[in-house]
Amino acid sequence: NAGVMQNPRHLVRRRGQEARLRCSPVKGHSHVYWYRQLPEEGLKFMVYLQKENIIDESGMPKERFSAEFPKEGPSILRIQQVVRGDSAAYFCASSGVRNQPQHFGDGTRLSIL
Amino acid sequence: KNEVEQSPQNLTAQEGEFITINCSYSVGISALHWLQQHPGGGIVSLFMLSSGKKKHGRLIATINIQEKHSSLHITASHPRDSAVYICAAEPNTGNQFYFGTGTSLTVIP
Repeated sequence: NAGVMQNPRHLVRRRGQEARLRCSPVKGHSHVYWYRQLPEEGLKFMVYLQKENIIDESGMPKERFSAEFPKEGPSILRIQQVVRGDSAAYFCASSGVRNQPQHFGDGTRLSIL
Repeated sequence: KNEVEQSPQNLTAQEGEFITINCSYSVGISALHWLQQHPGGGIVSLFMLSSGKKKHGRLIATINIQEKHSSLHITASHPRDSAVYICAAEPNTGNQFYFGTGTSLTVIP
């Protein structure tokens, strides 16, 4: 399967811990997008990265959240000092060029105890 | 007001029925996307369209740019079509996609 791979599929953290969500895009894709889906709500854009660069992080909360897409390895969405309200499904998508259809991963379901 | 509005929110149909899901958007777009999210949570891109009509199997997507409206049609619906269908507007400026809240479709055998 050469699709977008996200791991872990499920992640449980206690309040105050750190959560790291990984996304390996489709091979050859250099554009990565992160989205959050809160319970009973629609998907919301968080951040758009293009190899080693953050292009648009207008949807990211200003504190505790960060994202990277290094030259080698997967894209990482990092949430520090998690709170209950961070519980959500986090989806990653990738595309080869900016205006091509995005391929989505299966998401990481984050639960905060 | 959301940039993308979908209707209906929930839809139940008998197997074989013709189904229509509607999407209206208020932003200028470079493309309109239809996505499918299955109960397990994975998301699949069904269509990306900027004008006219596209067809893939039993699925048809149309868009009217002047009216800022798109529809997703499913012909001869089947229980395996049961999923949440999401409309997403790709704006012609900026990078942020705007998503509808989804239409939950259940097709009964």
